[in-house]
Amino acid sequence: QSVLTQPPSASGTPGQRVTISCSGSSSNIGSNTVNWYQQLPGTAPILLIYSNNQRPSGVPDRFSGSRSGTSASLAISGLQSEDEADYYCATWDDSLNGPVFGGGTKLTVL
Amino acid sequence: QVQLVQSGAEVKKPGASVKVSCKASGYTFTSYDINWVRQATGQGLEWMGWMNPNSGNTGYAQKFQGRVTMTRNTSISTAYMELSSLRSEDTAMYYCARGANWNLDYYFDYWGQGTLVTVSS
Repeated sequence: QSVLTQPPSASGTPGQRVTISCSGSSSNIGSNTVNWYQQLPGTAPILLIYSNNQRPSGVPDRFSGSRSGTSASLAISGLQSEDEADYYCATWDDSLNGPVFGGGTKLTVL
Repeated sequence: QVQLVQSGAEVKKPGASVKVSCKASGYTFTSYDINWVRQATGQGLEWMGWMNPNSGNTGYAQKFQGRVTMTRNTSISTAYMELSSLRSEDTAMYYCARGANWNLDYYFDYWGQGTLVTVSS
């Protein structure tokens, strides 16, 4: 059981916009910034979004993040086949005194 | 460029220990934390703990307290994670990840390629 809650799956067609939600509590998302990681099949995760909405160098601006209250979301616009991957949200949890992850969302491009 | 290169796959028997290494390059090793994150097959990511390579200070997730030890050798820019009293549920891919701080945020900006640890009798 993950501390942060994500839908197990999401899907969209090429060119479409999809969003993935991440729900937490006052001790984590409610008081800390949210990061997102992308994990392509058979590879290590990579940082996709940090500090709620910042993109590391090299990440396309099709990817965007937001946070409101105790929830966050990742939006992917202009969906491409290479976006098919698992996506994880993460943040610091003040009660657990460490980082926590969501259970991950498997994105399928139809 | 920043790289974290981990040691190879391990097969261990229940009750044994495993020690995984993570060699850093492309940056000053003592300037960033090294974290360890594991992932069982088909499952999500699970944070195990962090180590400050400069001071050697560590912080472990409660679940692993007493079973995990994180150390480093600064002369060769290498971090280590040792997990003891292995059981079948510890079978997983183990990743090291660099911890970065920015504007009160803490995130993992570079990851190793992963080390598969299999626990089987």
